[in-house]
Amino acid sequence: DTGVSQNPRHKITKRGQNVTFRCDPISEHNRLYWYRQTLGQGPEFLTYFQNEAQLEKSRLLSDRFSAERPKGSFSTLEIQRTEQGDSAMYLCASSLFYRGQETQYFGPGTRLLVL
Amino acid sequence: AQTVTQSQPEMSVQEAETVTLSCTYDTSENNYYLFWYKQPPSRQMILVIRQEAYKQQNATENRFSVNFQKAAKSFSLKISDSQLGDTAMYFCAFMDRTQGGSEKLVFGKGTKLTVNP
Repeated sequence: DTGVSQNPRHKITKRGQNVTFRCDPISEHNRLYWYRQTLGQGPEFLTYFQNEAQLEKSRLLSDRFSAERPKGSFSTLEIQRTEQGDSAMYLCASSLFYRGQETQYFGPGTRLLVL
Repeated sequence: AQTVTQSQPEMSVQEAETVTLSCTYDTSENNYYLFWYKQPPSRQMILVIRQEAYKQQNATENRFSVNFQKAAKSFSLKISDSQLGDTAMYFCAFMDRTQGGSEKLVFGKGTKLTVNP
């Protein structure tokens, strides 16, 4: 399967713990996006990378959230000191940005439950 | 800031019939893309169709077609010959393509479509 993959698929943690999610994009896709989706809502943008550079972060992204894409391939999203309000589906998408064109392809998501 | 509105939280259709999902958006930009994504129950988001704002011709992909009305800022999705596998949440999304603009997707709240046998 050459689609976007995310690990883990599910994560249950206690409030105050740190969690890290991983996203592996489609091979040769130069852009990688993170979104958060809560129940009954559409995904909301968190941040995105072009290669290893983080180009934009949403104001939704508090200081407890950090994302990296160290070699321009996979990316990690870390949430420190989790809160119950962080419970959501975290979606990763990748795209090949070329000549001003791109389409984002999504992974299966990581569902986080903070107790 | 751009916004996307899907005014139909839920819809249902009989198998083999046609259904239209509505989407309106608000933007002051002229260069953008519009998308419909499908999210089946407990499965990942799948791209259904894409429309570039500079193209007057409506996009089509097999049984899926759009009615893009740029002046009205309307972007509806028509599904013909509905199949049981079309049951899913459908999200309309906007992407600003203005140079220097944000290239994130802005999503509506979705329409839950149920196809009945």
